[in-house]
Amino acid sequence: DTGVSQDPRHKITKRGQNVTFRCDPISEHNRLYWYRQTLGQGPEFLTYFQNEAQLEKSRLLSDRFSAERPKGSFSTLEIQRTEQGDSAMYLCASSTDQGIGELFFGEGSRLTVL
Amino acid sequence: GDSVTQMEGPVTLSEEAFLTINCTYTATGYPSLFWYVQYPGEGLQLLLKATKADDKGSNKGFEATYRKETTSFHLEKGSVQVSDSAVYFCALRSILTGGGNKLTFGTGTQLKVEL
Repeated sequence: DTGVSQDPRHKITKRGQNVTFRCDPISEHNRLYWYRQTLGQGPEFLTYFQNEAQLEKSRLLSDRFSAERPKGSFSTLEIQRTEQGDSAMYLCASSTDQGIGELFFGEGSRLTVL
Repeated sequence: GDSVTQMEGPVTLSEEAFLTINCTYTATGYPSLFWYVQYPGEGLQLLLKATKADDKGSNKGFEATYRKETTSFHLEKGSVQVSDSAVYFCALRSILTGGGNKLTFGTGTQLKVEL
């Protein structure tokens, strides 16, 4: 069963360092989403791609954050000059462009900024 | 903007008890509504959905009815099992969303079922 996979599962970094997360979606899914989840909160939308095009970005995605999906397959989320407030679980999800609302989520990448 | 409000947890029940997790929403028009579940150590997965008023979504013994009059989508199950222990998230997809499935989630309700 090839679901959505995320790497690394846990990253500990010092404030000011750059980090990058990778997401491999379900292979036939053309849409890919990034969400952020902090403790005790639900997932918050960050951005989404249809194939390689980034179609929407949340205001939560400051200029220190950048996401790419260069070939319409895997995606990366980079955070530059990390801050303690960036500590969170970063969730990736994918879907087809059919139907409404069924996102397939990965297990997430937990970021801890010291 | 869109928002979802869920009852706070944790909710602790005995096996075979009746479950209700309340969810209300604020959105423009009539959004599509969802319940997602996150089992320990796993990613979120869709539990059920309803796309228009008065629709009832159901799966694995769970049910929720889209009530536009009360802007609610409460999750119910008649007899919970230990295996239902998880975090449950209510979510909506606004009609104003473009082509994507951008969802707005509630804060989640943790359910613990004991023998």
